[in-house]
Amino acid sequence: GESVGLHLPTLSVQEGDNSIINCAYSNSASDYFIWYKQESGKGPQFIIDIRSNMDKRQGQRVTVLLNKTVKHLSLQIAATQPGDSAVYFCAENAFWGDGGATNKLIFGTGTLLAVQP
Amino acid sequence: SAVISQKPSRDICQRGTSLTIQCQVDSQVTMMFWYRQQPGQSLTLIATANQGSEATYESGFVIDKFPISRPNLTFSTLTVSNMSPEDSSIYLCSVGGGSGRNYNEQFFGPGARLTVL
Repeated sequence: GESVGLHLPTLSVQEGDNSIINCAYSNSASDYFIWYKQESGKGPQFIIDIRSNMDKRQGQRVTVLLNKTVKHLSLQIAATQPGDSAVYFCAENAFWGDGGATNKLIFGTGTLLAVQP
Repeated sequence: SAVISQKPSRDICQRGTSLTIQCQVDSQVTMMFWYRQQPGQSLTLIATANQGSEATYESGFVIDKFPISRPNLTFSTLTVSNMSPEDSSIYLCSVGGGSGRNYNEQFFGPGARLTVL
């Protein structure tokens, strides 16, 4: 399938190393964040989410960290494997003009993770 | 998560024609959304598909160009009208909410890859 990462920043890691993918979000009022993984030729796959009342959440081999002070989100992948090679997107929830939260998502630009064997 | 299918998975179309993309979910969901992903880019929300009423479009997208239907809680269509090469993209549907689901989580279909000549 065609690549979705042609114009995206790239993070290259060795198999077995830990990966850290970073994301800066735009709205200090955002209260819900998701990380997605998109493999070539496929739709985005939900990885992990976090609400703004938390600063850390762990899943299987993945950890999301939220720093609301600097509006920064990171995804840590432990013991990176070749199957982790994909484009990773962060997304935040959008707000109405009057300040009310919606369930619409705003996506970041994405990072291509390339795992070297 | 819900199982989401899209048809067609890919198509090559001539300038000036229209194409309708279908999105089918295996269970009832509250929210359905349509996104566009241009080559090498992130995802941009086109509209929220509302069951039984007109879709809610984001800035830069209009109903005449992207008519949307949502006749029930498991099915939606997006039509790309009067296509030009600039419409060449991946069109993705996502779903959120429904019985037993977190209202904010969104899950994506595999996408429809459209090339306009």
